[in-house]
Amino acid sequence: GAVVSQHPSWVICKSGTSVKIECRSLDFQATTMFWYRQFPKQSLMLMATSNEGSKATYEQGVEKDKFLINHASLTLSTLTVTSAHPEDSSFYICSVTPPGTEAFFGQGTRLTVV
Amino acid sequence: KQEVTQIPAALSVPEGENLVLNCSFTDSAIYNLQWFRQDPGKGLTSLLLIQSSQREQTSGRLNASLDKSSGRSTLYIAASQPGDSATYLCAVLTSYDKVIFGPGTSLSVIP
Repeated sequence: GAVVSQHPSWVICKSGTSVKIECRSLDFQATTMFWYRQFPKQSLMLMATSNEGSKATYEQGVEKDKFLINHASLTLSTLTVTSAHPEDSSFYICSVTPPGTEAFFGQGTRLTVV
Repeated sequence: KQEVTQIPAALSVPEGENLVLNCSFTDSAIYNLQWFRQDPGKGLTSLLLIQSSQREQTSGRLNASLDKSSGRSTLYIAASQPGDSATYLCAVLTSYDKVIFGPGTSLSVIP
């Protein structure tokens, strides 16, 4: 299976600042990665599909200017929450799906905006 | 559009009971179905993966079944223990490699 490493595992930031979350595929070259978020007491919802070398594809209702995704290499995708506000506080998690296998998830990042 | 639902939303049982968690999905065109466990404030732990061509998978006290044609899966937990208390998520892998999660079942096993 694929090993996915996500960093940081938790972060607290002040309202108005930006936060970058990294997702690394350690043993698989991923042309596509996926970002999910989970609000308290809710399930995980797909936010966007990160595409290596091209623009990310965002799900309906997700602000692309607020959640900047960069997939500059086959092993790294980053999610930047810009001008974060308390309502952005959530659990963010990434995944990769090697062809013909299953989805492998990172450890997740818990973001708290104060 | 694929939608995944889970019943019940919450379940509280005494220790030792056998229990069944249910998952339904609307589009039978899936590659596989996974059951995950999520402890409070934590990430995902994969429990069982059932490929679309399979009917069931077993791991220890856990057994998951899949009926793709009817869009249903069940997770059976035998002899439940307090350590099984967590949220259980059902998730399907779609043809675009996206994972669609159900809302989860919150399980509490009472000692």
